[in-house]
Amino acid sequence: DAGVIQSPRHEVTEMGQEVTLRCKPISGHNSLFWYRQTMMRGLELLIYFNNNVPIDDSGMPEDRFSAKMPNASFSTLKIQPSEPRDSAVYFCASSFGGPNTGELFFGEGSRLTVL
Amino acid sequence: AQSVTQLDSQVPVFEEAPVELRCNYSSSVSVYLFWYVQYPNQGLQLLLKYLSGSTLVESINGFEAEFNKSQTSFHLRKPSVHISDTAEYFCAVSGSSGTYKYIFGTGTRLKVLA
Repeated sequence: DAGVIQSPRHEVTEMGQEVTLRCKPISGHNSLFWYRQTMMRGLELLIYFNNNVPIDDSGMPEDRFSAKMPNASFSTLKIQPSEPRDSAVYFCASSFGGPNTGELFFGEGSRLTVL
Repeated sequence: AQSVTQLDSQVPVFEEAPVELRCNYSSSVSVYLFWYVQYPNQGLQLLLKYLSGSTLVESINGFEAEFNKSQTSFHLRKPSVHISDTAEYFCAVSGSSGTYKYIFGTGTRLKVLA
């Protein structure tokens, strides 16, 4: 059974360029989360979706960041324009948000380097 | 709103010694509590969880954690660590009803020494 699939695994880009990170959650899961991990700030929740609807985007740093979930099997996180301080590992995670489960399943992450 | 505090950023311990990784949480509602483990260059994996029932929960590889509501803690313990336990460990909290917003602590890096 496939887990959460993220692409690309590594991205190196120059400041000012647009970056799009992609995520395919586990089939049947109805919640999807985007996290950012850095040494300085740890693991930060950027946004989460429930049934494809954005529920809380209060963690999105600024307007340069946007996330979409057009259907239950696909989500994107876009940064436009990118800046060096956006360099981090971005994780996507999914879960089935029922009262007796609660487990998050993480992808392997997308390591972004902005030069 | 919920929050999680992991007091120790790094914990070095010798192989076969016991270890405790501390986690305290804050929440105005009932919570679920989790420990996740992250090995280098990988995503996080669930280690164990408390949803309800017995306050002592165990993982398949010998870790255990105890939910202490009065002290708002969920410390992780292992009586005898192995080199392969070297990893970063994250405590997380989630509300137990409604939509599920998971909040993670800053992580504790466990380094097991030979």
